[in-house]
Amino acid sequence: AQSVAQPEDQVNVAEGNPLTVKCTYSVSGNPYLFWYVQYPNRGLQFLLKYITGDNLVKGSYGFEAEFNKSQTSFHLKKPSALVSDSALYFCAVRVAYSGAGSYQLTFGKGTKLSVIP
Amino acid sequence: AAGVIQSPRHLIKEKRETATLKCYPIPRHDTVYWYQQGPGQDPQFLISFYEKMQSDKGSIPDRFSAQQFSDYHSELNMSSLELGDSALYFCASSLWDRAGYEQYFGPGTRLTVT
Repeated sequence: AQSVAQPEDQVNVAEGNPLTVKCTYSVSGNPYLFWYVQYPNRGLQFLLKYITGDNLVKGSYGFEAEFNKSQTSFHLKKPSALVSDSALYFCAVRVAYSGAGSYQLTFGKGTKLSVIP
Repeated sequence: AAGVIQSPRHLIKEKRETATLKCYPIPRHDTVYWYQQGPGQDPQFLISFYEKMQSDKGSIPDRFSAQQFSDYHSELNMSSLELGDSALYFCASSLWDRAGYEQYFGPGTRLTVT
């Protein structure tokens, strides 16, 4: 079984300040980790992923995330928040590719990010 | 770049009616996933297909069925609709054998059951 926890329902940050959206995961085997963003009445947009290699991954719109295996975390970060970053952010996990089985994503409950002007 | 296409975008049905949602994956993608996102909820996996065969099954009610066709598009058929079926239904596509490839999501079909 695989699961994702996003401990904060909402994160408020002032424009220009750094932001962090937290995510921890549980999966049997090696994880593939993803961040998606959802704007109101829109679909899920891919931000970034961790597959293997460098623990710090960079994604779209200046976002980055750090994979920490010992803490089973994959926190999303951005050095300077923009008002336009306000949206719902989902962390997701799936089991690493093994050539068999399905690779369904398991999502966290989502964190609403509000960037205050 | 081509994206995942879902139709219709919005659908209003009454209780006990049926609904069919369609998904057209990104060209050359061979795997389709269906997710259901209830109001204020995270997306929940329903079912997936690879090469026209069901590859995995999640929390899909028995009233729902789905299939993938030879052109890789997929349809989700929903019968005896209930109020609780009101949700945003996402389709995602990917390449099965490309380890680590992310799933690309369509814009979703918003189903409202009245």
